[in-house]
Amino acid sequence: QSVMTQPPSASGTPGQRVTISCFGSHSNVGSNYVYWYQQLPPAAPKLLIYRSEKRQSGVPDRFSGSKSGASASLAISGLRSEDEADYYCAAWDDSVNGWVFGGGTKLTVL
Amino acid sequence: EVYLAESGGGLVQPGRSQRLSCSASGFDFGDYAVSWFRQAPGKGLEWVAFIRNRGYGGTTEYAASVKDRFTISRDDSKSIAYLQMNRLTTEDTAVYFCAIDYYGSGSFDFWGQGTLVAVSS
Repeated sequence: QSVMTQPPSASGTPGQRVTISCFGSHSNVGSNYVYWYQQLPPAAPKLLIYRSEKRQSGVPDRFSGSKSGASASLAISGLRSEDEADYYCAAWDDSVNGWVFGGGTKLTVL
Repeated sequence: EVYLAESGGGLVQPGRSQRLSCSASGFDFGDYAVSWFRQAPGKGLEWVAFIRNRGYGGTTEYAASVKDRFTISRDDSKSIAYLQMNRLTTEDTAVYFCAIDYYGSGSFDFWGQGTLVAVSS
């Protein structure tokens, strides 16, 4: 069971806006930055959002991140077929002195 | 060009050991912390271990699931990080990735392609 909670799946049609949530605790999301990764297995994850809301270089501005308290979210607007992938949130956890991940959300573009 | 490549994966019997390598090129490896992650078949990402750069003494951190069985180390002269895995179990079967914070994101923004470790009798 993952330390941070994400919905296992999400879906949308092309052009729609989709939001993926990530619920943590005071020791991770509540007190540290959140990072969002996109993965198309078996490839390595790709960093999309760092420090909760900053887009990594080269990432389209359709992707945005936000954080409030112990929860964070990734929003994808203008959904495209190539956005179909697995998405993970991650944060440093002060109580375990290590990185923790959400369980991942599989995004389907209908 | 920045490059990370894992090697050392393969089939290993339960209870045995395996050492993974993360070879780097194109940058001053010693300036960067390195982390190992893994992903079991059909499962999510899991952080495994972390080693700080020489400026922070090369100190290490481990996930509870591998602490006392796995050891992360680095040889900056060779630009290689290692993950020594002992007393392997079937639950350690996964693709193992190494990654660094190359772009200063505060997380891991540059990853290798991964190497598969399959623990089975």
